[in-house]
Amino acid sequence: AAGVIQSPRHLIKEKRETATLKCYPIPRHDTVYWYQQGPGQDPQFLISFYEKMQSDKGSIPDRFSAQQFSDYHSELNMSSLELGDSALYFCASSLGLDDPGTQYFGPGTRLLVL
Amino acid sequence: QKEVEQDPGPLSVPEGAIVSLNCTYSNSAFQYFMWYRQYSRKGPELLMYTYSSGNKEDGRFTAQVDKSSKYISLFIRDSQPSDSATYLCAMSALFGNEKLTFGTGTRLTIIP
Repeated sequence: AAGVIQSPRHLIKEKRETATLKCYPIPRHDTVYWYQQGPGQDPQFLISFYEKMQSDKGSIPDRFSAQQFSDYHSELNMSSLELGDSALYFCASSLGLDDPGTQYFGPGTRLLVL
Repeated sequence: QKEVEQDPGPLSVPEGAIVSLNCTYSNSAFQYFMWYRQYSRKGPELLMYTYSSGNKEDGRFTAQVDKSSKYISLFIRDSQPSDSATYLCAMSALFGNEKLTFGTGTRLTIIP
């Protein structure tokens, strides 16, 4: 079965640079979520989109922005990167209200800020 | 205090044993309860989800929810070395298309 695709899988950036993470949800899934997982920590919710509209916002820094496109893929844009942004970034997708409680996660993008 | 509490372990049990993993929560709004398995450096894999109190069984896995006590459990029967991973409980409110709030995860090792 098709899964959530994330790219790139690994990314190394310098402080103050920008990064763009991409997420391709499972076909027919209309809701996308972004989570950040620091070393040894649980995933923390950043932001979500339903039908291309922002549906919820968590502890996402103002330096980050995201959007969902017409083909339902989503991009997380991160600017003025800081050392503390180094983490695993997961995208998850779901059918939203049609299949509540089931968010499927991608393999993640490992971001390292030097 | 975190909304979802989970014993981080680590937990080591011999192969074939029954494993019990638990989470407690404080937010009465949580209605959907999930268990994810995460291997090192991989994305969380959805194991089970439920939205009602009681038990739900899927193969060797049983999820148990007690909303009155705000307590959920995951039982793994006939544990295998391949079950060695970090297990995360997660919860969401209302209609289930909302953000997940995770526990800290329990690192489980099954000893052959």
